[in-house]
Amino acid sequence: EVQLQESGPGLVKPSQSLSLTCSVTGYSITSNYWGWIRKFPGNKMEWMGYINYSGSTSYNPSLKSRISITRDTSKNQFFLQLNSVTTEDTATYYCARSTRVPYYFDYWGQGVMVTVSS
Amino acid sequence: DIQMTQSPSLLSASVGDRVTLNCKASQNIYKNLAWYQQKLGEAPKLLIYNAKSLQTGIPSRFSGSGSGTDFTLTISSLQPEDVATYFCQQYYSGWTFGGGTKLELK
Repeated sequence: EVQLQESGPGLVKPSQSLSLTCSVTGYSITSNYWGWIRKFPGNKMEWMGYINYSGSTSYNPSLKSRISITRDTSKNQFFLQLNSVTTEDTATYYCARSTRVPYYFDYWGQGVMVTVSS
Repeated sequence: DIQMTQSPSLLSASVGDRVTLNCKASQNIYKNLAWYQQKLGEAPKLLIYNAKSLQTGIPSRFSGSGSGTDFTLTISSLQPEDVATYFCQQYYSGWTFGGGTKLELK
C-alpha cells in the first residue's frame, strides 16, 4: 500500500525557510507525480507544486519565486522548501500522489502543522 | 482561477439519514471533480473521482453526481464513522479546493 508521511519542524521564524520532507513507502517516486498541498487555518486549501517521475517540477504561480521541490530517489523522499516565510504561511502541509496532472490525488499523508512565528 | 464553493459548511444529521453535500464551481469543469473525506488527525481519503466514480474500497453508500458547475456527494445512510470533513477539488484547470463541509451527528 502506498503511504506518505510528512516531517519537519513545527515552528519557523518569519523570513526564514520552511523545509519539509515527504517519505514514501510502497511505491517509487520515480513514477507518477508527487505534490504538496497546504490547508490554512479556516480550511482554505492551496496546491503548491509537484515533482514528477523524471524530476521535473511545476509550481503554483503565486509561490513561484519562493518555492522549491526536490527529491532523493535513493531514499524515496521528496522535499519542500519555502523561502522568506511570513505568518501567512502558517498552515498544515500535506504531500500527496497523483497519477497524472492535473488530476485527483489518490494518496495523501496525514499532514504536518507548521506555525510561522517569532 | 476556478473557485469552488461548498455548502453547507456545517451539517448535522442522524444515523441512517440520507445526507447531501454540495459543491459549486465558478465555471464549467465538466466532470473533473473529486471528493475527499478527512477525519481529525488523519490523511484525506479519496472517495469519488471524475464526479461519480467510486474509489476502490469506499463503501457503496457514498455516491457522487453532477457535471458542469454543480456537484453533489450523497451518503445514502449515514453511519457514525462518516463523521468527518468533506471537501471537493477540481482538476479541470490546475487544482483548486472547496472550503469543506463538516458533518456531525445530531
